[in-house]
Amino acid sequence: GAVVSQHPSRVICKSGTSVKIECRSLDFQATTMFWYRQFPKQSLMLMATSNEGSKATYEQGVEKDKFLINHASLTLSTLTVTSAHPEDSSFYICSATVGGGYTEAFFGQGTRLTVV
Amino acid sequence: GQQVMQIPQYQHVQEGEDFTTYCNSSTTLSNIQWYKQRPGGHPVFLIQLVKSGEVKKQKRLTFQFGEAKKNSSLHITATQTTDVGTYFCGLNAGGTSYGKLTFGQGTILTVHP
Repeated sequence: GAVVSQHPSRVICKSGTSVKIECRSLDFQATTMFWYRQFPKQSLMLMATSNEGSKATYEQGVEKDKFLINHASLTLSTLTVTSAHPEDSSFYICSATVGGGYTEAFFGQGTRLTVV
Repeated sequence: GQQVMQIPQYQHVQEGEDFTTYCNSSTTLSNIQWYKQRPGGHPVFLIQLVKSGEVKKQKRLTFQFGEAKKNSSLHITATQTTDVGTYFCGLNAGGTSYGKLTFGQGTILTVHP
């Protein structure tokens, strides 16, 4: 199967600072990637669709200015949590699909963000 | 958009017992996918169902898609400790949004040895 790599796996930052999370497709090109957020013992909630070379599409209720998404190449999407606050602490995870007969989504390892 | 409801939220079983999680929708689903997330891990694809009444098996796992394509289930026979994790059903949006998943709430399975 395809490999999606996410970095960092864990990050602790101070309140008010920004954190960048990278999502890379290692062995395929992904014109579209997806960013999810997951709270403990809860489901994955889609935050936004990252589109290569164009603006991301955000789900209702997700602040565009707080969660900046950039998809500058066919293998890399980044999520920047700006001016992070403790309530932004969560598990962030990206996914991508390969196409060409593969039906499933491939997920990165996830990033555990803790804002102190 | 379409939503999928998943029950139960938690299931505790003794090793060797069976386990079932259910996914329901009020509208007809074009597909349903199942994923497993181990504690601390990321979701891993298990199966996709697209046909009415479809049944697929993977060793001890049996996946079903209802005749009306409004519900699905995952059944594990004789659970093992390696089955521990959260099982999610998900609807793949398809079309230009292919890969965009709407997940059910998930069922957290614990297996007592």
